Amino acid sequence: GAGVSQSPSNKVTEKGKDVELRCDPISGHTALYWYRQSLGQGLEFLIYFQGNSAPDKSGLPSDRFSAERTGGSVSTLTIQRTQQEDSAVYLCASSARGVSDTQYFGPGTRLTVL
Amino acid sequence: AQSVTQLGSHVSVSEGALVLLRCNYSSSVPPYLFWYVQYPNQGLQLLLKYTSAATLVKGINGFEAEFKKSETSFHLTKPSAHMSDAAEYFCAVRTGGYNKLIFGAGTRLAVHP
Repeated sequence: GAGVSQSPSNKVTEKGKDVELRCDPISGHTALYWYRQSLGQGLEFLIYFQGNSAPDKSGLPSDRFSAERTGGSVSTLTIQRTQQEDSAVYLCASSARGVSDTQYFGPGTRLTVL
Repeated sequence: AQSVTQLGSHVSVSEGALVLLRCNYSSSVPPYLFWYVQYPNQGLQLLLKYTSAATLVKGINGFEAEFKKSETSFHLTKPSAHMSDAAEYFCAVRTGGYNKLIFGAGTRLAVHP
């Protein structure tokens, strides 16, 4: 019943490889967010999905980062040609209606780029 | 632009002592304010939120925070610390026109016997 789930919990990859991170939001939540938590930068917003509207991609750090949300539910964050500076914990959150509602966070995916 | 400043990256208190974690925000419009807690290797859990109703907000685990517009502050307090309160605490702000949370750098709370 759950809360927001994310997979994998840990991912180790080599520099230059592509990775996909998955987020399953709380059932019925229309809004979904991705954040990144890293030692040097703290918690940063990456991207926001609300229903069928165009996503707010203003936080994506480069064009190597992309995300999609299929069927208004599950979301995948893809990082292409990973770099060592991409190492971080990637957190997903969802909320019921978007702006006015509380965001509930998943446990995160810890990405390590060697 | 919105921003959040948390004074003190590390705070240490004795068990049973008052907990005070400081948060100041910058926002040109009335903000929504949040405190989240993060235990080791876990995601963020909402402690409490301010959404322009009562200025004193009570949250889970005995925490509360007071919104003070004149001081642009939203400090988190708990009268008596417990060992289980040891964690990292994040203050965050969001204004009505924005979808994203802007987080402070976090304060790591240590509780010693």
